[in-house]
Amino acid sequence: DQQVKQNSPSLSVQEGRISILNCDYTNSMFDYFLWYKKYPAEGPTFLISISSIKDKNEDGRFTVFLNKSAKHLSLHIVPSQPGDSAVYFCAASTKAAGNKLTFGGGTRVLVKP
Amino acid sequence: ETGVTQSPTHLIKTRGQQVTLRCSSQSGHNTVSWYQQALGQGPQFIFQYYREEENGRGNFPPRFSGLQFPNYSSELNVNALELDDSALYLCASSFELAGGRSYNEQFFGPGTRLTVL
Repeated sequence: DQQVKQNSPSLSVQEGRISILNCDYTNSMFDYFLWYKKYPAEGPTFLISISSIKDKNEDGRFTVFLNKSAKHLSLHIVPSQPGDSAVYFCAASTKAAGNKLTFGGGTRVLVKP
Repeated sequence: ETGVTQSPTHLIKTRGQQVTLRCSSQSGHNTVSWYQQALGQGPQFIFQYYREEENGRGNFPPRFSGLQFPNYSSELNVNALELDDSALYLCASSFELAGGRSYNEQFFGPGTRLTVL
């Protein structure tokens, strides 16, 4: 029972273009969503988050959009840079769970110079 | 400020054996969460320790157990190892005010890669 799904296992994008990563969830109790980035041999690092009371959150080149009715969120990276090449995980939580996170399966992003 | 560290980096065990993985939390943090990341999948929550007590558990059998020490470092113990326990084990630390029911940022260690033969 996968409550958080990232249906695209990989994404290839040209440097300078936009990367769009998608994430779907099934648990309507989720009220906080996060994106993590993971390089090989390192732990995941927090990128950006969004609360369910918002539909957009922006931090520099990274923007997360939340569509609650569709139970869908996306991460936009503009412009993409070669250093953005990594695995990106979507994660979600509920008020009761706090930061005990439910992760998606990840999307591997390759940014070509 | 020292980040989250884990030991060992890699470990090979055989089926039926027991293993202990260690995690040192970031300075000032009082909560440690453990996750299992199987190959090609996302991390899956095992359990969390807050101020030396278990504060939530995911869908893992009792042969997965843990400890948190007064300095907030933590251990993950797995008994009767099975082939499917082969995975990257990640720990994450954070500072929580009241039982871990918040969304404070978690900092992950690099993980321990466990291979069960």
